[in-house]
Amino acid sequence: AQKVTQAQTEISVVEKEDVTLDCVYETRDTTYYLFWYKQPPSGELVFLIRRNSFDEQNEISGRYSWNFQKSTSSFNFTITASQVVDSAVYFCALSPRRGGKLIFGQGTELSVKP
Amino acid sequence: ETGVTQTPRHLVMGMTNKKSLKCEQHLGHNAMYWYKQSAKKPLELMFVYSLEERVENNSVPSRFSPECPNSSHLFLHLHTLQPEDSALYLCASSQGTVQETQYFGPGTRLLVL
Repeated sequence: AQKVTQAQTEISVVEKEDVTLDCVYETRDTTYYLFWYKQPPSGELVFLIRRNSFDEQNEISGRYSWNFQKSTSSFNFTITASQVVDSAVYFCALSPRRGGKLIFGQGTELSVKP
Repeated sequence: ETGVTQTPRHLVMGMTNKKSLKCEQHLGHNAMYWYKQSAKKPLELMFVYSLEERVENNSVPSRFSPECPNSSHLFLHLHTLQPEDSALYLCASSQGTVQETQYFGPGTRLLVL
């Protein structure tokens, strides 16, 4: 089965706190891609990152970082020094080799309070 | 400039109306998608078009009718909708359909009365 689980439905933090959004996936494919998208209140899904299953290097982009661990089938997303503008729903998604379509998790709603 | 645009952004319609949602992508992509996002539910893939051919139709009711006249434009024609069809309808595009990054438009918030 192909599946993405984001166990945290809602997270609330205070500005400047670090926060980690969890993502666990299931697939039997050896080649797949993982994605994170941000959906602010305006509704548009904004692409954040795409990661190939063969590339387990962690990635950092400004205050954002991603931790890909194949051994635990996880692709977690950390925001350092969170800001109010980070408030949004964040989706993790899997694109397996077969079919190729994006399989989304349920999303995690992050609320950053001033 | 936004890569994927959608119009209208908001739509209220009665159950007997006929309306159309429009999506346009300016990214030179070959694939386009319609998704439905209902409150408290995950995104549901409705239709996939690749090079203007429909390649996927995920058991969507016939009251939703897609049209892809060229690789830059995608429409979703709506008729005799039900209140449970109220949702955010998102359009996306990608270079191909296999493991490519999808870029999304801002969505159309639809309310069916």
